[in-house]
Amino acid sequence: EAGVVQSPRYKIIEKKQPVAFWCNPISGHNTLYWYRQNLGQGPELLIRYENEEAVDDSQLPKDRFSAERLKGVDSTLKIQPAELGDSAVYLCASSPGTSGGGETQYFGPGTRLLVL
Amino acid sequence: SQQGEEDPQALSIQEGENATMNCSYKTSINNLQWYRQNSGRGLVHLILIRSNEREKHSGRLRVTLDTSKKSSSLLITASRAADTASYFCATDAGNYGQNFVFGPGTRLSVLP
Repeated sequence: EAGVVQSPRYKIIEKKQPVAFWCNPISGHNTLYWYRQNLGQGPELLIRYENEEAVDDSQLPKDRFSAERLKGVDSTLKIQPAELGDSAVYLCASSPGTSGGGETQYFGPGTRLLVL
Repeated sequence: SQQGEEDPQALSIQEGENATMNCSYKTSINNLQWYRQNSGRGLVHLILIRSNEREKHSGRLRVTLDTSKKSSSLLITASRAADTASYFCATDAGNYGQNFVFGPGTRLSVLP
C-alpha cells in the first residue's frame, strides 16, 4: 500500500513569493490533515478535511494561507505571499475515517520550506 | 496552545537500557497517542491509548495513562540505536478530534 505522498520535498523561495504544496493521501482515507512543524517543536494542525469539507481550520492564517481538497482526494496548501517566519516543514497526514483524533494518522515525509 | 508537554526534552542512553518519556496534559482527553519521528522524516504512529485504558503494550513499547494526574508515559525496553528519534505525544480533547494537539517532543539518543 502506497503511503502519503507529498511534493515537493524541498522548496526555497524569496519572501513575498507564492508557494504551493501538494499532498496525495492513502487511497480510501477520508480525513486529511495539514500540519506545520517548526524546528524542535511538535506539529501544529493547520487544517483538517473530512472528505472535501474543511471541518477545522481555526489555526490556518487565512490572510495568506489557503487550502483546497477537490473531490475529497488530494489536497493543495498555498501560501501567498510567503514570509520569513513561514520557514518550516509542512506535513500532510491522512486517516481512514472521520472520527478525527480517535484514529491513527499516517504522515507523509513533509515539505521543507525555506523562505529567504 | 499546546496541550501535551513531554519530559524530558532530551534523553541520551546506552543501547540495551530502557528509556522512559513522560507526557503531561491540561484538560480531559478522549485518547492519547504516541508518535515517533526520525530525523527529516514524517511521523510514525506507535500506540493509541483511550481515556478508559490504563496500560497498553506493543512489542518493546509500554504506554501508561493516568487520567487523575493527566499524564502518560512511554517506556521503550532494551533500546537499540535505531530507536534514536523524537517522540511526541498527541492528545485528542474535543468531539471528533477538533482539539488534536501534539507536544514539543522528547529527543532520544541511543548510543551504541
